[in-house]
Amino acid sequence: EVQLVQSGAEVKKPGESLKISCKGSGYSFTSYWIGWVRQMPGKGLEWMGIIYPGDSDTRYSPSFQGQVTISADKSISTAYLQWSSLKASDTAMYYCARRSSISGPFDYWGQGTLVTVSS
Amino acid sequence: DIQMTQSPSTLSASVGDRVTITCRASQSISSWLAWYQQKPGKAPKLLIYKASSLESGVPSRFSGSGSGTEFTLTISSLQPDDFATYYCQQYNSYLITFGQGTRLEIK
Repeated sequence: EVQLVQSGAEVKKPGESLKISCKGSGYSFTSYWIGWVRQMPGKGLEWMGIIYPGDSDTRYSPSFQGQVTISADKSISTAYLQWSSLKASDTAMYYCARRSSISGPFDYWGQGTLVTVSS
Repeated sequence: DIQMTQSPSTLSASVGDRVTITCRASQSISSWLAWYQQKPGKAPKLLIYKASSLESGVPSRFSGSGSGTEFTLTISSLQPDDFATYYCQQYNSYLITFGQGTRLEIK
């Protein structure tokens, strides 16, 4: 069974750094792209970027380029989304999702990680 | 960037109704369109891909159509479990954009 299991909820202060994770299982982790999607409170879905764990090829949405870093450790089948300096506006639910190909839909999703940034 | 516009933003309907949600792309995306269902507090779920292909396990009352810039998601006979928010998504390239969502409410 394909599963993407994300790390737990985080509460951080503005300016702090953060790295959240997404662990894949039940499939060949290095053969599928993993994407990250943001959902701000009460709002819609925004695509942030994708990574191919097989060779760490990473692509970002222009809206998120330079704001976050996406990485992966294929040895432990885990993708990451990180911030170096959080802002209150980063408060959101973050989902990872498997993409069937570089130009395919997201067929499996993680359960989401809620990030709250507040002073 | 390719912009995706869904209509309506909110739709009120009753169990048993046939409903249609429309999604328009700002430029042609061929058939590279997906539809997702999201319930409160849950991750989105893939319903339709390549505009009209039903994802495995999705009830046949869901169907998709369209190509180019105009697409529709139709639910043939609404069930209580279908009241949720629906998003279209274009994946014409590695760049992805979602529509703003359509909230399907019980009338």
